[in-house]
Amino acid sequence: GAVVSQHPSWVICKSGTSVKIECRSLDFQATTMFWYRQFPKQSLMLMATSNEGSKATYEQGVEKDKFLINHASLTLSTLTVTSAHPEDSSFYICSARDSLSYEQYFGPGTRLTVT
Amino acid sequence: AQKITQTQPGMFVQEKEAVTLDCTYDTSDQSYGLFWYKQPSSGEMIFLIYQGSYDEQNATEGRYSLNFQKARKSANLVISASQLGDSAMYFCAMRGPWGQGGKLIFGQGTELSVKP
Repeated sequence: GAVVSQHPSWVICKSGTSVKIECRSLDFQATTMFWYRQFPKQSLMLMATSNEGSKATYEQGVEKDKFLINHASLTLSTLTVTSAHPEDSSFYICSARDSLSYEQYFGPGTRLTVT
Repeated sequence: AQKITQTQPGMFVQEKEAVTLDCTYDTSDQSYGLFWYKQPSSGEMIFLIYQGSYDEQNATEGRYSLNFQKARKSANLVISASQLGDSAMYFCAMRGPWGQGGKLIFGQGTELSVKP
């Protein structure tokens, strides 16, 4: 089956620093990837749609300068949380859409804690 | 705008019993897809079942079935013969039109607890 990986699976960083999260489709190509954010006991909130070779499309209310998304290849999208603050602590999940089948597969998530 | 609503924050069910998790949606599009995902405490999103808006028959996958009532805009998940391992968060999701990116929008979720 199709596999999406995320790295790191968890990260602790200090307030004011930046952290990068990688999302990779391991056995398929993904022109489009999605980034979600989830707080405890809450739903997944779509942050942005990442398109290979073009700028990401951000959902309303998401700061594009704070959450930098780069989709440089058909198998890799990265989310960089810049100048992180404790309120950015959350579970970040990516999903990748298979370019051929259009099926969408989720990564295992990255738990970010900002101290 | 599209919207997904799950009105049951938490549900309890006895092991081996059946349980129905409610999901209603709102969209003006004719073509859309409805999904159910399971999220255990580990956080991974596990795909359970899919129903396309033009599918006339209700989808089934093993112990999971989707009760699709298009006129009522509901897509309830039925889990038969509940198992202890079914305890998790369950999310209903809708995929919008491909012309708008085919994004998945999620409901609020239902936390299911299976009692022995």
